[in-house]
Amino acid sequence: SQTIHQWPATLVQPVGSPLSLECTVEGTSNPNLYWYRQAAGRGLQLLFYSVGIGQISSEVPQNLSASRPQDRQFILSSKKLLLSDSGFYLCAWSVSNHGLGGYTFGSGTRLTVV
Amino acid sequence: GNSVTQMEGPVTLSEEAFLTINCTYTATGYPSLFWYVQYPGEGLQLLLKATKADDKGSNKGFEATYRKETTSFHLEKGSVQVSDSAVYFCALTQRIGQGGKLIFGQGTELSVKP
Repeated sequence: SQTIHQWPATLVQPVGSPLSLECTVEGTSNPNLYWYRQAAGRGLQLLFYSVGIGQISSEVPQNLSASRPQDRQFILSSKKLLLSDSGFYLCAWSVSNHGLGGYTFGSGTRLTVV
Repeated sequence: GNSVTQMEGPVTLSEEAFLTINCTYTATGYPSLFWYVQYPGEGLQLLLKATKADDKGSNKGFEATYRKETTSFHLEKGSVQVSDSAVYFCALTQRIGQGGKLIFGQGTELSVKP
């Protein structure tokens, strides 16, 4: 069966420090991968999506970047965190059918920038 | 562009009450429609889905019918339990390049009291 792992679960980082959040998927190949952020107020914003190794599309300009070094690995990074980067980060995957069957989400990383 | 509008929360109900959470959408073409649930401190879980007009998605006593004529996908449950307390998100898919973008409503918080 397919599983998605996200870590760490919680993270407290100072302003200006780097960030690396990792997401891996098991039990499937060539998934579409996504990073979402859920800020206070519960809205969900798509940050990045990837349809293959090395292929990253950004939905909104920001202080973050994403990479996909392997088929089932998706990494969210920042060189220097801002206070506004605080939030709940969710990784998700879908089969390569434009997401028409829905996404499966990881358990999330709660990032607090202090 | 495509969008999803949900009724505002929080919704507070007594156990065994009937639940309706309204969801309407704006979309071109024929999107797939979803309800996701987020329990406190957790990621999102797919609750149910419908991929074409008049489809009824159902799971765990919840159901929703894809109504193209009214562009709606209202979530219902006949008898809620305390364990149903969570935030519920209505969503639709939109094709983006080779990927599929899930567009979420703002979420509706449900609180069920014993």
